[in-house]
Amino acid sequence: KAGVTQTPRYLIKTRGQQVTLSCSPISGHRSVSWYQQTPGQGLQFLFEYFSETQRNKGNFPGRFSGRQFSNSRSEMNVSTLELGDSALYLCASSPRDTYYEQYFGPGTRLTVT
Amino acid sequence: LAKTTQPISMDSYEGQEVNITCSHNNIATNDYITWYQQFPSQGPRFIIQGYKTKVTNEVASLFIPADRKSSTLSLPRVSLSDTAVYYCPFYNFNKFYFGSGTKLNVKP
Repeated sequence: KAGVTQTPRYLIKTRGQQVTLSCSPISGHRSVSWYQQTPGQGLQFLFEYFSETQRNKGNFPGRFSGRQFSNSRSEMNVSTLELGDSALYLCASSPRDTYYEQYFGPGTRLTVT
Repeated sequence: LAKTTQPISMDSYEGQEVNITCSHNNIATNDYITWYQQFPSQGPRFIIQGYKTKVTNEVASLFIPADRKSSTLSLPRVSLSDTAVYYCPFYNFNKFYFGSGTKLNVKP
């Protein structure tokens, strides 16, 4: 099976702009989670989607949002970008019955200038 | 917020066995314990999971005592390629809290 794919892999944006990141989970996986990783804060949970519904949300401002489509592909959006949003954004998918085993994509490196 | 606790860093030499211990003081009765490995600029990779006693796969062994308040990831005969960050995330209502992990540095 193909692994989790994320596009784009690298992105440079200007403060105040918005950005959309895409994630395609492993075929058959219905749960998709998003994480933000920075040197200072480590790996932090953003939100999780299952069957097009957001089931859980981490402690991030409303500028961070996401959605999941009927084919389980997911997107996350960050509006009004701030310098502190520069990070590696990781997407992970998991099978319905094994939440503990998450498969991560390579991530999207976002740089905000 | 309940979380797991693990050493910030560890050093080892090639060929040695490495044991990384994690504290799970607030683990829920039904939750499994999992470990992940992360190389720079890559997403974490699932290594192993267990509920109690010992679990072994081709990569590592996981030891969990009866009280489940801690776990130990054992990597046999490490090589330079095992240099990475190892996480024992806390799991709560479909959320993983990864923390900062343990940075393992394997020296030649």
